[in-house]
Amino acid sequence: QKEVEQDPGPLSVPEGAIVSLNCTYSNSAFQYFMWYRQYSRKGPELLMYTYSSGNKEDGRFTAQVDKSSKYISLFIRDSQPSDSATYLCAMTPGGGADGLTFGKGTHLIIQP
Amino acid sequence: KAGVTQTPRYLIKTRGQQVTLSCSPISGHRSVSWYQQTPGQGLQFLFEYFSETQRNKGNFPGRFSGRQFSNSRSEMNVSTLELGDSALYLCASSLAMGYNEQFFGPGTRLTVL
Repeated sequence: QKEVEQDPGPLSVPEGAIVSLNCTYSNSAFQYFMWYRQYSRKGPELLMYTYSSGNKEDGRFTAQVDKSSKYISLFIRDSQPSDSATYLCAMTPGGGADGLTFGKGTHLIIQP
Repeated sequence: KAGVTQTPRYLIKTRGQQVTLSCSPISGHRSVSWYQQTPGQGLQFLFEYFSETQRNKGNFPGRFSGRQFSNSRSEMNVSTLELGDSALYLCASSLAMGYNEQFFGPGTRLTVL
Protein backbone atom coordinates (compact mmCIF):
# COMPACT_ATOMS: atom_id res chain seq x y z
CA GLN A 1 0.00 0.00 0.00
CA LYS A 2 1.39 3.38 -1.00
CA GLU A 3 1.62 6.06 1.66
CA VAL A 4 -0.67 8.39 -0.32
CA GLU A 5 -3.44 7.17 -2.61
CA GLN A 6 -5.06 9.36 -5.24
CA ASP A 7 -7.41 8.36 -8.05
CA PRO A 8 -5.58 9.12 -11.32
CA GLY A 9 -8.79 9.81 -13.27
CA PRO A 10 -9.36 11.27 -15.74
CA LEU A 11 -12.20 13.12 -14.06
CA SER A 12 -14.32 14.95 -16.62
CA VAL A 13 -16.95 17.50 -15.54
CA PRO A 14 -18.89 20.28 -17.30
CA GLU A 15 -17.90 23.91 -16.90
CA GLY A 16 -19.43 25.49 -13.81
CA ALA A 17 -19.65 22.26 -11.83
CA ILE A 18 -18.23 21.76 -8.36
CA VAL A 19 -15.21 19.47 -8.47
CA SER A 20 -14.16 17.24 -5.60
CA LEU A 21 -10.64 15.81 -5.52
CA ASN A 22 -9.47 13.48 -2.77
CA CYS A 23 -6.48 11.71 -1.26
CA THR A 24 -6.14 9.12 1.47
CA TYR A 25 -2.98 8.45 3.39
CA SER A 26 -1.65 5.90 5.84
CA ASN A 27 1.06 7.75 7.81
CA SER A 28 -0.50 9.33 10.89
CA ALA A 29 2.61 11.50 11.32
CA PHE A 30 1.58 13.75 8.43
CA GLN A 31 0.63 17.18 9.77
CA TYR A 32 0.95 19.53 6.79
CA PHE A 33 -1.10 19.09 3.64
CA MET A 34 -0.81 20.75 0.27
CA TRP A 35 -2.52 20.77 -3.09
CA TYR A 36 -0.58 21.49 -6.24
CA ARG A 37 -1.83 22.06 -9.79
CA GLN A 38 0.35 20.95 -12.67
CA TYR A 39 -0.25 21.83 -16.27
CA SER A 40 1.28 19.68 -18.99
CA ARG A 41 5.04 20.19 -19.28
CA LYS A 42 5.11 22.63 -16.35
CA GLY A 43 6.22 22.42 -12.73
CA PRO A 44 3.64 22.00 -9.93
CA GLU A 45 2.04 25.23 -8.67
CA LEU A 46 1.11 25.47 -4.98
CA LEU A 47 -2.63 26.06 -4.60
CA MET A 48 -3.45 25.37 -0.96
CA TYR A 49 -1.46 24.78 2.22
CA THR A 50 -3.10 23.59 5.45
CA TYR A 51 -2.00 22.42 8.84
CA SER A 52 -3.74 19.61 10.73
CA SER A 53 -7.51 19.09 10.48
CA GLY A 54 -10.02 21.66 9.31
CA ASN A 55 -11.04 23.72 6.30
CA LYS A 56 -9.31 26.49 4.40
CA GLU A 57 -10.85 28.58 1.65
CA ASP A 58 -9.12 30.67 -1.01
CA GLY A 59 -11.30 32.07 -3.75
CA ARG A 60 -12.92 29.19 -5.64
CA PHE A 61 -10.79 26.61 -3.82
CA THR A 62 -11.54 24.93 -0.48
CA ALA A 63 -9.21 22.42 1.17
CA GLN A 64 -10.45 20.03 3.84
CA VAL A 65 -8.39 17.79 6.10
CA ASP A 66 -9.82 15.02 8.26
CA LYS A 67 -6.91 13.51 10.14
CA SER A 68 -9.11 11.04 12.02
CA SER A 69 -10.04 9.45 8.68
CA LYS A 70 -6.67 10.19 7.04
CA TYR A 71 -8.56 11.86 4.19
CA ILE A 72 -8.03 15.20 2.47
CA SER A 73 -10.11 16.95 -0.17
CA LEU A 74 -9.91 19.86 -2.56
CA PHE A 75 -13.13 21.45 -3.82
CA ILE A 76 -13.21 23.73 -6.85
CA ARG A 77 -16.34 25.86 -7.28
CA ASP A 78 -17.52 27.31 -10.59
CA SER A 79 -14.97 25.21 -12.48
CA GLN A 80 -13.44 26.73 -15.62
CA PRO A 81 -11.77 25.10 -18.65
CA SER A 82 -8.53 26.72 -17.45
CA ASP A 83 -8.77 24.49 -14.34
CA SER A 84 -8.07 21.48 -16.56
CA ALA A 85 -4.79 20.10 -15.22
CA THR A 86 -3.37 17.41 -12.97
CA TYR A 87 -3.96 18.00 -9.26
CA LEU A 88 -1.44 16.57 -6.82
CA CYS A 89 -1.87 16.23 -3.10
CA ALA A 90 1.26 16.38 -0.95
CA MET A 91 1.95 16.01 2.73
CA THR A 92 4.74 15.95 5.29
CA PRO A 93 5.20 15.45 9.02
CA GLY A 94 6.83 18.87 9.14
CA GLY A 95 9.75 20.09 11.19
CA GLY A 96 12.14 19.62 8.32
CA ALA A 97 12.27 15.88 8.90
CA ASP A 98 11.32 14.76 5.41
CA GLY A 99 10.54 15.96 1.93
CA LEU A 100 7.01 16.07 0.64
CA THR A 101 5.19 12.80 -0.08
CA PHE A 102 2.95 13.12 -3.12
CA GLY A 103 -0.06 11.33 -4.49
CA LYS A 104 0.24 10.40 -8.15
CA GLY A 105 -2.21 13.10 -9.18
CA THR A 106 -5.73 13.29 -10.60
CA HIS A 107 -6.13 14.41 -14.21
CA LEU A 108 -9.06 16.84 -14.32
CA ILE A 109 -10.84 17.87 -17.52
CA ILE A 110 -13.38 20.70 -17.50
CA GLN A 111 -15.59 20.52 -20.57
CA PRO A 112 -16.68 23.91 -22.01
CA LYS B 1 9.62 38.36 -7.62
CA ALA B 2 11.22 35.84 -9.96
CA GLY B 3 10.31 32.21 -9.43
CA VAL B 4 12.49 29.13 -9.27
CA THR B 5 14.61 28.72 -12.37
CA GLN B 6 16.11 25.50 -13.66
CA THR B 7 18.61 24.90 -16.41
CA PRO B 8 18.74 23.30 -18.83
CA ARG B 9 15.06 22.67 -19.57
CA TYR B 10 15.73 19.65 -21.76
CA LEU B 11 18.61 17.23 -21.89
CA ILE B 12 19.36 14.08 -23.87
CA LYS B 13 22.11 11.74 -22.67
CA THR B 14 23.18 8.17 -23.31
CA ARG B 15 23.53 5.35 -20.81
CA GLY B 16 26.68 5.52 -18.73
CA GLN B 17 27.11 9.27 -19.04
CA GLN B 18 26.71 11.70 -16.18
CA VAL B 19 24.62 14.85 -16.00
CA THR B 20 24.47 18.01 -13.90
CA LEU B 21 21.29 20.01 -13.43
CA SER B 22 21.09 23.49 -11.97
CA CYS B 23 18.51 25.28 -9.82
CA SER B 24 18.25 28.89 -8.65
CA PRO B 25 15.73 29.32 -5.82
CA ILE B 26 13.39 32.25 -5.24
CA SER B 27 15.32 35.24 -3.93
CA GLY B 28 15.55 34.99 -0.14
CA HIS B 29 14.79 31.28 -0.07
CA ARG B 30 17.57 29.25 1.46
CA SER B 31 16.31 25.67 1.23
CA VAL B 32 16.31 23.71 -2.02
CA SER B 33 14.74 20.29 -2.54
CA TRP B 34 14.96 18.04 -5.57
CA TYR B 35 12.31 15.64 -6.82
CA GLN B 36 12.08 13.12 -9.63
CA GLN B 37 8.78 12.79 -11.51
CA THR B 38 7.99 9.75 -13.68
CA PRO B 39 4.67 8.43 -15.01
CA GLY B 40 5.07 5.21 -13.06
CA GLN B 41 6.24 6.47 -9.67
CA GLY B 42 4.94 10.03 -9.64
CA LEU B 43 6.86 12.68 -7.72
CA GLN B 44 9.53 11.29 -5.42
CA PHE B 45 11.77 13.20 -3.02
CA LEU B 46 15.50 13.03 -3.79
CA PHE B 47 17.15 15.32 -1.24
CA GLU B 48 17.07 18.70 0.47
CA TYR B 49 19.85 21.21 0.95
CA PHE B 50 20.03 24.03 3.46
CA SER B 51 23.05 26.13 4.37
CA GLU B 52 25.16 24.19 1.87
CA THR B 53 24.48 20.91 3.68
CA GLN B 54 22.33 17.96 2.67
CA ARG B 55 19.67 17.73 5.38
CA ASN B 56 17.39 14.96 4.14
CA LYS B 57 17.66 12.24 1.55
CA GLY B 58 15.05 10.10 -0.15
CA ASN B 59 15.38 6.48 -1.18
CA PHE B 60 17.61 6.84 -4.23
CA PRO B 61 20.98 5.23 -5.03
CA GLY B 62 24.27 7.01 -4.44
CA ARG B 63 24.50 7.82 -8.15
CA PHE B 64 22.24 10.76 -7.33
CA SER B 65 24.04 13.54 -5.52
CA GLY B 66 23.83 17.26 -5.11
CA ARG B 67 25.32 20.33 -3.60
CA GLN B 68 24.36 23.83 -2.62
CA PHE B 69 26.39 26.98 -2.93
CA SER B 70 26.65 29.93 -0.57
CA ASN B 71 24.15 31.90 -2.68
CA SER B 72 21.62 29.04 -2.18
CA ARG B 73 21.83 27.91 -5.80
CA SER B 74 21.91 24.14 -6.08
CA GLU B 75 23.07 21.50 -8.51
CA MET B 76 22.23 17.84 -8.71
CA ASN B 77 24.36 15.25 -10.43
CA VAL B 78 23.47 11.82 -11.73
CA SER B 79 26.37 9.55 -12.61
CA THR B 80 26.38 6.39 -14.73
CA LEU B 81 22.99 7.16 -16.24
CA GLU B 82 20.47 4.35 -16.70
CA LEU B 83 17.44 4.24 -18.98
CA GLY B 84 15.22 4.40 -15.88
CA ASP B 85 16.66 7.79 -14.97
CA SER B 86 14.61 9.38 -17.75
CA ALA B 87 12.30 11.72 -15.89
CA LEU B 88 11.33 15.29 -15.12
CA TYR B 89 13.64 16.58 -12.39
CA LEU B 90 12.03 19.28 -10.31
CA CYS B 91 13.62 21.71 -7.94
CA ALA B 92 11.62 23.35 -5.16
CA SER B 93 12.60 26.19 -2.89
CA SER B 94 11.36 27.22 0.53
CA LEU B 95 12.31 29.96 2.96
CA ALA B 96 14.35 27.69 5.19
CA MET B 97 14.54 24.16 6.43
CA GLY B 98 11.35 23.31 8.27
CA TYR B 99 9.20 25.59 6.11
CA ASN B 100 6.85 23.20 4.40
CA GLU B 101 5.55 25.50 1.65
CA GLN B 102 7.64 24.57 -1.34
CA PHE B 103 7.59 26.36 -4.67
CA PHE B 104 8.58 24.43 -7.76
CA GLY B 105 10.50 25.35 -10.86
CA PRO B 106 9.55 24.24 -14.39
CA GLY B 107 11.82 21.20 -14.24
CA THR B 108 14.50 19.68 -16.42
CA ARG B 109 13.32 16.89 -18.68
CA LEU B 110 16.08 14.30 -18.94
CA THR B 111 15.95 11.61 -21.60
CA VAL B 112 18.46 8.76 -21.40
CA LEU B 113 18.97 6.78 -24.62
